[in-house]
Amino acid sequence: QVQLVQSGAEVKKPGASVMLSCTTSGYTFIDFYVHWVRQAPGQGPEWLGVINPKTGSISYSPKFRDRVTMTRDTSTSTLYMELSSLRPDDMAVYYCARDLWDNGGYYPRLWGQGTLVIVSS
Amino acid sequence: EVVLTQSPPTLSLFPGGRATLSCRASQTVDTYIAWYQQKPGQAPRLLIYDASNRAIGIPARFSGSGSGTDFTLTINYLEPEDSAVYYCQQRRWGPLTFGGGTKVEIK
Repeated sequence: QVQLVQSGAEVKKPGASVMLSCTTSGYTFIDFYVHWVRQAPGQGPEWLGVINPKTGSISYSPKFRDRVTMTRDTSTSTLYMELSSLRPDDMAVYYCARDLWDNGGYYPRLWGQGTLVIVSS
Repeated sequence: EVVLTQSPPTLSLFPGGRATLSCRASQTVDTYIAWYQQKPGQAPRLLIYDASNRAIGIPARFSGSGSGTDFTLTINYLEPEDSAVYYCQQRRWGPLTFGGGTKVEIK
């Protein structure tokens, strides 16, 4: 079955960077866009951006464009998301999520289990 | 960016009842709205896309309607397992945005 398995929890100091991974299986990796979405405690989800694994093209949310980098490794069917210049308000659960359709429908459909990122001095 | 405002913040209903959740967009999003269900400690689960289409495996008790700026998620014959927070999301205009959520409690 389709799975997105994310890396484990991270604890970082303010100003540091964090890189998260999302390893996919059960489908053709290059066929579906993958989104990164975060959710702070008690808040609604917040979209960081989306990557097309086939071409590597990316659309970032303007809010994060200067701090986020999304990449993919087609040989291992893995996506990566790096967030730099971390602040305490970046503390959240970060999710990767595969799109609903294979042409970039922009509805996150199948979600990873999430990675908790704690930012604390 | 498009702001999605959900109401009410909380609904408390009895099993077997009907829940009506609202999502209002700050500008027209045509029918490019999805609804998600999220239970504590879990990732969101896609229920409805393009305003009224149920995702695979979603019971017919869940239905969506609306277009333009006003959207509704209706849950009929409420079951205890429907206790969750429900979010709307738009894809019409970048960046993707989500609403603040409606918490549904089953008494």
